Amino acid sequence: DQQVKQNSPSLSVQEGRISILNCDYTNSMFDYFLWYKKYPAEGPTFLISISSIKDKNEDGRFTVFLNKSAKHLSLHIVPSQPGDSAVYFCAARTIGLTGTASKLTFGTGTRLQVTL
Amino acid sequence: NAGVTQTPKFRVLKTGQSMTLLCAQDMNHEYMYWYRQDPGMGLRLIHYSVGEGTTAKGEVPDGYNVSRLKKQNFLLGLESAAPSQTSVYFCASSPRRDRGTEAFFGQGTRLTVV
Repeated sequence: DQQVKQNSPSLSVQEGRISILNCDYTNSMFDYFLWYKKYPAEGPTFLISISSIKDKNEDGRFTVFLNKSAKHLSLHIVPSQPGDSAVYFCAARTIGLTGTASKLTFGTGTRLQVTL
Repeated sequence: NAGVTQTPKFRVLKTGQSMTLLCAQDMNHEYMYWYRQDPGMGLRLIHYSVGEGTTAKGEVPDGYNVSRLKKQNFLLGLESAAPSQTSVYFCASSPRRDRGTEAFFGQGTRLTVV
């Protein structure tokens, strides 16, 4: 039972245009949502996050939107650049009980290719 | 800052062999994690630790053991490797829940079991 889903395995966007990556979740207990970016042969690196009590967070070219009623979040990249070509993972943090770790549950990733 | 360092980066094992993957972090994080990444399946949590001397099972713990004798180190062991354990393994660490949200990842260990 996949609690975090990224239904688009790949996305191709022209340089300068907007990239929109989507993510759906099923668990209402997630308190934070994060996006990670991963280049080949490297570990995932943190990109941006949003608290479950917010509906938008912006950091430069990256904006994450959260729609709690639809259990849906999206990452917008504007303008897209060739260096943005990577695999993007959506992740959700479980609140956890006192004394337990905050665990991240990941989606399967979306491969973004930004073309010239 | 080194961040999260994994050793080794690559390894080929024969079925039935054992090995230990080492993860070290220098950020004084309380939580540490081991994930595996397989094509089409994202990152799945194997085991995790909330502090020195404590470990817990994640989503896919079978065939693996872990230990956290020191706060900065988290070891992942395969006692008898199987081809199904061929994967890329990532270690991560994160601060306590009230001190931050993001997890920091190592560069990964690519393990092939033949």
